[in-house]
Amino acid sequence: QVQLVESGGGVVQPGRSLRLSCVASGFIFSSYGMHWVRQAPGKGLEWVAVIWSDGSNKYYRDSVKDRFTISRDNSKNTVYLEMNNLRVEDTGVYHCMTLSYWGQGTLVTVSS
Amino acid sequence: DVVMTQSPLSLPVTLGQPASISCRSNQSLVHSDGNTYLNWIQQRPGQSPRRLIYKVSNRDSGVPDRFSGSGSGTDFTLKISRVEAEDVGVYYCMQATHWPPWTFGQGTKVEIK
Repeated sequence: QVQLVESGGGVVQPGRSLRLSCVASGFIFSSYGMHWVRQAPGKGLEWVAVIWSDGSNKYYRDSVKDRFTISRDNSKNTVYLEMNNLRVEDTGVYHCMTLSYWGQGTLVTVSS
Repeated sequence: DVVMTQSPLSLPVTLGQPASISCRSNQSLVHSDGNTYLNWIQQRPGQSPRRLIYKVSNRDSGVPDRFSGSGSGTDFTLKISRVEAEDVGVYYCMQATHWPPWTFGQGTKVEIK
């Protein structure tokens, strides 16, 4: 069955960096665009970034542009989110998803 | 950006009774390819989100037939014909027609009376 497993979350101070990973299985990873969506504590879902199946296109929400970078390695069935210059407002659970399937998420806490 | 507005934001329902959630967008969600990319997503307490409905009215595999989606243009509805205990959670509409960004409604919390 389809599985998306995120990792890499943790507690970091403002201004620091984290790299999230999402390992996919159960489907042809290289055929699907991959998204990151986040959820602040007690809040709704917020789209963050997307990368095309072949990595040719990437889009970001305005608030993370120039700080976050999405990438993928189709040989490893993995999508990444490199997050730099983190802010308190970036705190939340980060899910990877394909539009059809969602991972369970990894918690990022940005706090001094 | 496309703004998605859901109502109500809280929906207490009696077991076995129907429930309905409205989702409105501030522009038509009809894509130039003729499809309407409006999804409904369920998030049960403590669980990851799960897509229930895609392209307005198509149920995902394994989704009970008590869930149905309808609508067109800017107005959409998710209906649960008879609410069961396992349906408790937050429901989001999400548009994938006009991007970036992909946008979600605020979420509707369904709880049992």
